[in-house]
Amino acid sequence: GAGVSQSPSNKVTEKGKDVELRCDPISGHTALYWYRQSLGQGLEFLIYFQGNSAPDKSGLPSDRFSAERTGGSVSTLTIQRTQQEDSAVYLCASSLGGWDSPLHFGNGTRLTVT
Amino acid sequence: AQSVTQLDSQVPVFEEAPVELRCNYSSSVSVYLFWYVQYPNQGLQLLLKYLSGSTLVKGINGFEAEFNKSQTSFHLRKPSVHISDTAEYFCAVSLTGGGNKLTFGTGTQLKVEL
Repeated sequence: GAGVSQSPSNKVTEKGKDVELRCDPISGHTALYWYRQSLGQGLEFLIYFQGNSAPDKSGLPSDRFSAERTGGSVSTLTIQRTQQEDSAVYLCASSLGGWDSPLHFGNGTRLTVT
Repeated sequence: AQSVTQLDSQVPVFEEAPVELRCNYSSSVSVYLFWYVQYPNQGLQLLLKYLSGSTLVKGINGFEAEFNKSQTSFHLRKPSVHISDTAEYFCAVSLTGGGNKLTFGTGTQLKVEL
């Protein structure tokens, strides 16, 4: 079946512009996660959605970052007024939501802020 | 808060040689432990996980890991590596009872050479 789909795969934007990154999780997965992968930094947790519960936003680095998940499915990560330090690969993952359910990752969106 | 340390950023090894990728974690409560692998130009995928029970866990592609609570370690091993094992390997933890929001290490790049 289809895996986690992210778009665009690459995005180049100018400093100060807003960007939107999209994630289509695996159908039926109730949990959705956003991570950021920077060179030499590993994966940094950003935000976590589980069903209809309030999202865990504890990893968002600043108020320029926000995310929403519509209808319990597609999610959009928005970065306002992008900065060069926002350049990274943004990864989305989904799971069935159980504590032992593995995360299924998309291939990521590579964001470059010039 | 929990944390994960992968001391080796790169591990070069010859084909058919054994390999160990080190992972240590820090947490004040019980954790679940995972290894994920990211092959070139692919998304992360689950290699193996420790939830409870036997401390020796076997995963895909001949990899295994051993949970050592006293040393707070979860090292990944393979007795004989193949060129196709060249990838980046990430150790991760989640808190028991905390959903499965994962905290990742910075990753270890395994490079298998002929």
